[in-house]
Amino acid sequence: EDQVTQSPEALRLQEGESSSLNCSYTVSGLRGLFWYRQDPGKGPEFLFTLYSAGEEKEKERLKATLTKKESFLHITAPKPEDSATYLCAVQATFDRDDKIIFGKGTRLHILP
Amino acid sequence: GAVVSQHPSWVICKSGTSVKIECRSLDFQATTMFWYRQFPKQSLMLMATSNEGSKATYEQGVEKDKFLINHASLTLSTLTVTSAHPEDSSFYICSGLQGVLNQPQHFGDGTRLSIL
Repeated sequence: EDQVTQSPEALRLQEGESSSLNCSYTVSGLRGLFWYRQDPGKGPEFLFTLYSAGEEKEKERLKATLTKKESFLHITAPKPEDSATYLCAVQATFDRDDKIIFGKGTRLHILP
Repeated sequence: GAVVSQHPSWVICKSGTSVKIECRSLDFQATTMFWYRQFPKQSLMLMATSNEGSKATYEQGVEKDKFLINHASLTLSTLTVTSAHPEDSSFYICSGLQGVLNQPQHFGDGTRLSIL
């Protein structure tokens, strides 16, 4: 069964304190791995798509990396506005409905 | 680009009434739309997948007669919660997907449904 596990469940950091969020996955064949940001009371906002092991993508203070078993979202020198829930999702190669499976997310809180 | 608009953002109604939620893709054609449900501090749970002009495909455990989905055009899908009860109270989110390989889903801002 395809599965996505995110850790930690919650993370509190001081402003400027870099860290990484983990997304471990098991899927029959990976078509794509997605990172989203979700603010309270809002829908998820797309951040990155990764397709193959070794791939990296960056956007401002965020960098996503991918291996055959997991993905990391690295946050460098975070600011309070980076506080949000970060969701990881995977899409299986053989899913003809283009469904994605979400992890439970990591709630990130950056203290000023 | 890739904006999805969802309305209403918040609705409160009495038990037994039906509620319709609209999901529109504003600047792209969504060949597929998805409806999710999210409980507090939980992840998004897929309820159903709809392709334009076709019947929706519901996930196991989701009552299709309870949650009516219509995807009449490439820019509009609706979810109707029929005869809503307090246990249907939740945060409902839609997403749209272009029919282009490897494009991500783009999400609306959700609808907070409270049934009294």
